[in-house]
Order: sequence, then structure tokens, then C-alpha cells
Amino acid sequence: EVQLLESGGGLEQPGGSLRLSCAASGFTFSTYAMSWVRQAPGKGLEWVSTVTGNGADTHYADSVKGRFTISRDNSKNTFYLQMNSLRVDDTAVYHCAKDQIAGDGRVNFDYWGQGTLVTVSS
Amino acid sequence: DIQMTQSPSSQSASVGDRVTITCRASQTISNYLNWYQQKPGKAPKFLIYAASNLQSGVPSRFSGSGSGTDFTLTISSLQPEDFATYYCQQSYSIPPTFGHGTKVEIK
Repeated sequence: EVQLLESGGGLEQPGGSLRLSCAASGFTFSTYAMSWVRQAPGKGLEWVSTVTGNGADTHYADSVKGRFTISRDNSKNTFYLQMNSLRVDDTAVYHCAKDQIAGDGRVNFDYWGQGTLVTVSS
Repeated sequence: DIQMTQSPSSQSASVGDRVTITCRASQTISNYLNWYQQKPGKAPKFLIYAASNLQSGVPSRFSGSGSGTDFTLTISSLQPEDFATYYCQQSYSIPPTFGHGTKVEIK
């Protein structure tokens, strides 16, 4: 059974930093791209970032480029989102998500974690 | 970026009704279109991929169709557990983008 468990959310001041983690199990982690998708309170889904299975390639939404860094540790079946220079509009539930098909270059989110809440406020 | 437009934004329906949700892409995306269901406080659930392929375990009352720019999600006979918000998402290009969602509510 695929399981994804996020951690690391919390309350942070504007300009601060947080590091989110997503621990994965139930599949061959290193084979699949992994992503972060966020949802602001009462709003829709917004893709944030994706890292390929071997970690060599990363992609970011324009809204977080230069502030957020995605990475993974395949030896720990875990990937991360380092969030710097946080802004009030980064407030959201951050879900980690697994790609459906290994290595096809498309981003289909077939399994999701329950999410971790990030609140940016002074 | 490819913009995804869903309609309607909300829909009231009764158990047993046929429900249709549409999604339009701002440019052609072939059949690289996925559908998700989300209930309040829960993670999204992957329903349909490549426009018309049902994810394993999804009831057959759900179906998808379309290609190019226009797509449809249909629930043939709405069940109580289907009241939720539905999102389309294009996987044709990076960044992957979602529609704004369609909330299916109880009439």
C-alpha cells in the first residue's frame, strides 16, 4: 500500500523558513518523480514543484522559483521542500504527491499525502 | 502556462442524477487530462487519467471523454459519497495546471 506522510508545517513569520518532509512507503521510491501541491484555505489546487526519480531534474512554479528548493534522499525514501523567504500568500496545506508513471515526463498525481499546514503570519 | 477552465463552478444535484462537468484547455493538450475528486479536509483522489482511463478502484459510474481542448467528466448516477469538489489537471506540459474546481452539492 502506497503511503505518503508529510511533516514540518507550522506557523512562521514572513521572511522566515520552513522545511517540509514527505516520507514514502509501499513503492520503489527512487523510480518515481515526486511533487508538492498546495491548497490555500478555501482555494483550489496549485502545483508547486517536482523532482525526478534520481533527483537530477527539478521544476518549480514561478510563484516559488528562487525561494523554494525541492530535493530527495532515495536512501531514506523521503523528499523535501525547503521554503525560504516565506510570504503571507504561501499560507496553504502542502500535499506531497507521487507521479503515476515512472519516467514518462508527464505529471499525473496518483497518490497524495494528507497534507501539512503552513501558516505565514506576523 | 496552459489555463484550465472548468464549468460549472458548482452544481446542485440529487442522488441518482447524471452529472456532467466540463474542462477546457487554453491550448491543445491531446489527451493529457486528469480528473481528481476532493472531499473537505481530505487529500485529492485520482479518478481518471489520459482523459478517459479509470484509475484502479474507481467506480464505473465515473467516465471521462474528450481530446484536444475540450473534456468532460460524467457521473452516470450520483451516489451520496460522490458529493465533493472535482478538479481537472493537464499533464501535457510543465507547469501542470489545475482547473478551479467544480463543487457538486446536494440539492
